[in-house]
Amino acid sequence: SALTQPASVSGSPGQSITMSCTGTSSDIGGHNYVSWYQQYPGKAPKLMISEVTNRPSGVSDRFSASKSDNTAYLTISGLQVEDEATYYCISYTGTIGLVFGGGTKLTVL
Amino acid sequence: EVLLLESGGGSVQPGGSRRLSCAASGFTFTNYAINWVRQAPGKGLEWVSGITGNSGGTFYADSVKGRFTISRDFSQNTVSLQMDSLRVEDTAIYYCAKERLSTSRGAFDYWGLGTLVTVSS
Repeated sequence: SALTQPASVSGSPGQSITMSCTGTSSDIGGHNYVSWYQQYPGKAPKLMISEVTNRPSGVSDRFSASKSDNTAYLTISGLQVEDEATYYCISYTGTIGLVFGGGTKLTVL
Repeated sequence: EVLLLESGGGSVQPGGSRRLSCAASGFTFTNYAINWVRQAPGKGLEWVSGITGNSGGTFYADSVKGRFTISRDFSQNTVSLQMDSLRVEDTAIYYCAKERLSTSRGAFDYWGLGTLVTVSS
C-alpha cells in the first residue's frame, strides 16, 4: 500500500520545515532506495533526493533528507516562495517494485 | 540532451486496449531502466511498471498486473506499455521516466511530458 505522507505542511519564508514519509520494514525500512520529488501543478515531477540522502546535481542544498527505521524525512531550510509545490516520496519494495506516498502540499505563507 | 517523449494517449472505452510508447534519446538506452508512472486527474503519483535496461526484468503494480505489459525495442530506443482490459480508474496522465543510475530504484532523473489516457463510455 502507499506510503503515508501528511496531506499538507506550511511555513514562512526563511523558516525550515520537515515532512515525513512513513512506510514499513518491507519498503523504507528494508532498503536504502528512497527518493523525493517536487511537482508543480501541470508539470512533470522533479527528482530532489535519491538513495535516501543523495542530492542530484543542480538541486539546491537547502534540500536535505534522512531516514530512521520505517520513516523518511525531507527537510527544506530557508524556505522560499518557489518551494511551494507538492512533494512525493517513493521507496523500493523489493520484488513488488516501487511505491509512492500520497504527496504533501507545501504552502509557503 | 536526454529526451523522453510519450505518445499513444487518447480516449478508450472500458474493456478496451491502448498502447503507449516512450521514445528515448540522449543516453545509452541499454544501460538504464525505464518506468511508467501515472497521475489521475487531481490525484497523486502512482508507479505503474518498470523494465530493466536489458529487459531482463519487468515489474508491475498490483493494480495493473495481468492487464498491462511493458516491453522494450532496442532497435527503436522505445519502451512500450500495452494496456488491456482498461478500467475507468486507469484514466490518468502517463509519464515515462528514466532511472538515474543503472543501480537506482525509483530515482527518476528525466521524465517525459506525459500522455493522457481517458477511459470512459
